[in-house]
Amino acid sequence: NAGVTQTPKFQVLKTGQSMTLQCAQDMNHEYMSWYRQDPGMGLRLIHYSVGAGITDQGEVPNGYNVSRSTTEDFPLRLLSAAPSQTSVYFCASSRTSGYSYEQYFGPGTRLTVT
Amino acid sequence: GNSVTQMEGPVTLSEEAFLTINCTYTATGYPSLFWYVQYPGEGLQLLLKATKADDKGSNKGFEATYRKETTSFHLEKGSVQVSDSAVYFCALSILGGDAGKSTFGDGTTLTVKP
Repeated sequence: NAGVTQTPKFQVLKTGQSMTLQCAQDMNHEYMSWYRQDPGMGLRLIHYSVGAGITDQGEVPNGYNVSRSTTEDFPLRLLSAAPSQTSVYFCASSRTSGYSYEQYFGPGTRLTVT
Repeated sequence: GNSVTQMEGPVTLSEEAFLTINCTYTATGYPSLFWYVQYPGEGLQLLLKATKADDKGSNKGFEATYRKETTSFHLEKGSVQVSDSAVYFCALSILGGDAGKSTFGDGTTLTVKP
């Protein structure tokens, strides 16, 4: 199994450009989420989804869109990139049944906005 | 709401020293507790977990015990190695309810010197 995969690994954007960060998982997990990680700020939840067709906002959703058309894929769209969105982005997935919901993380996308 | 508080870092130790990283939590509902580790340039990966009170999670020489009475889940290792240098995150998730969604601490950076 590949687990959680993310593409691209690195990206440089100019202010105002848009792009999509890809995330896919092959574990049939219902729950998927996007985090950003900034120095000294831990992980901050951007958006999450509890199943295909269902998404919700996390604590820092502004400037980002998501959709979940399949169980496997959960892309994150930056609508108009800003320097404040320079960060490392992690996608994660989890089961929602059973008694333990550990997260499985992708390797991350390092984004720089100039 | 739910929250996780970790001891502030960074932590610097000599090889073979004893490690403790404190973690306390508040939760509405019955949480499962986790420690994740993030090595440089990588995503987070599960280090160990505990799903009920008095459970001890262990992996790679690390241990943590779920203490409901003190709402704590402190991470310990008897003899650290240079290869343990990483960022460690304490986290919780709640059974039922917002299944799959995790709450993370801010992370503690550990550096082990030879």
